[in-house]
Amino acid sequence: SQQGEEDPQALSIQEGENATMNCSYKTSINNLQWYRQNSGRGLVHLILIRSNEREKHSGRLRVTLDTSKKSSSLLITASRAADTASYFCATASNFGNEKLTFGTGTRLTIIP
Amino acid sequence: NAGVTQTPKFQVLKTGQSMTLQCAQDMNHEYMSWYRQDPGMGLRLIHYSVGAGITDQGEVPNGYNVSRSTTEDFPLRLLSAAPSQTSVYFCASSYGPPSTSPRTIYFGEGSWLTVV
Repeated sequence: SQQGEEDPQALSIQEGENATMNCSYKTSINNLQWYRQNSGRGLVHLILIRSNEREKHSGRLRVTLDTSKKSSSLLITASRAADTASYFCATASNFGNEKLTFGTGTRLTIIP
Repeated sequence: NAGVTQTPKFQVLKTGQSMTLQCAQDMNHEYMSWYRQDPGMGLRLIHYSVGAGITDQGEVPNGYNVSRSTTEDFPLRLLSAAPSQTSVYFCASSYGPPSTSPRTIYFGEGSWLTVV
């Protein structure tokens, strides 16, 4: 069964606005990762946060992790048309990451 | 540096046919995995390997076989294709242990399979 559930399933915002996506998971984790998938393409790794971290930044991305609530959020600031894609969270139980459990994804559309 | 290469990109099969999806990586990664992605869902793990000669089942292994005779290659075999195996398949790889930090995973571009 899917480990992660993402919310919302779809999100449309105006260019320049901020986009926030949420992910919940069920079991203990070593780390949580966020990926972007453009239509018809493979997944691209965006950012990883370890279970002992609470917040992480990378460029316009900000990820938070609350292990007590088993949830994470991805914030994309100052959105651009090129950010239009599906975003997935994935959890791993160890450093090896050979077995990821993915959420169902959020489809983000940026309106120019 | 080609990264993770999957072939074919698109394939149509008839029910009952067999085929192999190829995956190759040129990064000397120990870990390789196969996932499938169905509409409206995230990726689900089919099989994975932590090194040559070592494979294990993931969440949805039924109907699929894998082998890992070399570090570079990790083919996924459909022995008798069924319409339920219509999906997009992704191969992924990463370095293995020892590690004190999480490994970055690299994904292929996907293989679109339709079983009619």
